[in-house]
Amino acid sequence: DAMVIQNPRYQVTQFGKPVTLSCSQTLNHNVMYWYQQKSSQAPKLLFHYYDKDFNNEADTPDNFQSRRPNTSFCFLDIRSPGLGDAAMYLCATTWDRGSLGDGYTFGSGTRLTVV
Amino acid sequence: GQSLEQPSEVTAVEGAIVQINCTYQTSGFYGLSWYQQHDGGAPTFLSYNALDGLEETGRFSSFLSRSDSYGYLLLQELQMKDSASYFCAVMDSNYQLIWGAGTKLIIKP
Repeated sequence: DAMVIQNPRYQVTQFGKPVTLSCSQTLNHNVMYWYQQKSSQAPKLLFHYYDKDFNNEADTPDNFQSRRPNTSFCFLDIRSPGLGDAAMYLCATTWDRGSLGDGYTFGSGTRLTVV
Repeated sequence: GQSLEQPSEVTAVEGAIVQINCTYQTSGFYGLSWYQQHDGGAPTFLSYNALDGLEETGRFSSFLSRSDSYGYLLLQELQMKDSASYFCAVMDSNYQLIWGAGTKLIIKP
């Protein structure tokens, strides 16, 4: 089945130690998104790629970076995680930015704990 | 600013019908979507309305009134597995998906 896969499902990292979360998709979608979601809140968009074009949200901290080496893979790098970065990180894809009929397809998420 | 308003929590009884409302104020409008999210899980897409009216998909229906900047999600024949958070989301003129804060649906036997 075509899908969006995030690894790992759970990640524990030390305060200040760089961490990378990964996302892969077999849907061949052009757009990939990274969201941060904290408990009982809506997902917050960090950035997205439209093909190779990177789009950063204005309020995304510099601590967060992303890479998309090819259509299938996208990575979220947190350079120096702080306690406030503990959250669920969600990867989502869609065929085109304006294509809403099928919605966004989300991965299962990575729950990040910072100790 | 852009905002979506939806109730924070709704309680209903198994087998009943529940409606979750969403009002929005955004710069541009390309459609209203609804997502379901179970605790600890990822959001899953439920429905999308670009035009006024009612869209039905099984036990779930979604309604949109663009003139009122209003929509709702209707869940019928509630089952315990419907206990989840439900998010409305609007795509604005910049193709950004603006999310509501979510409605936690609690279902009692």
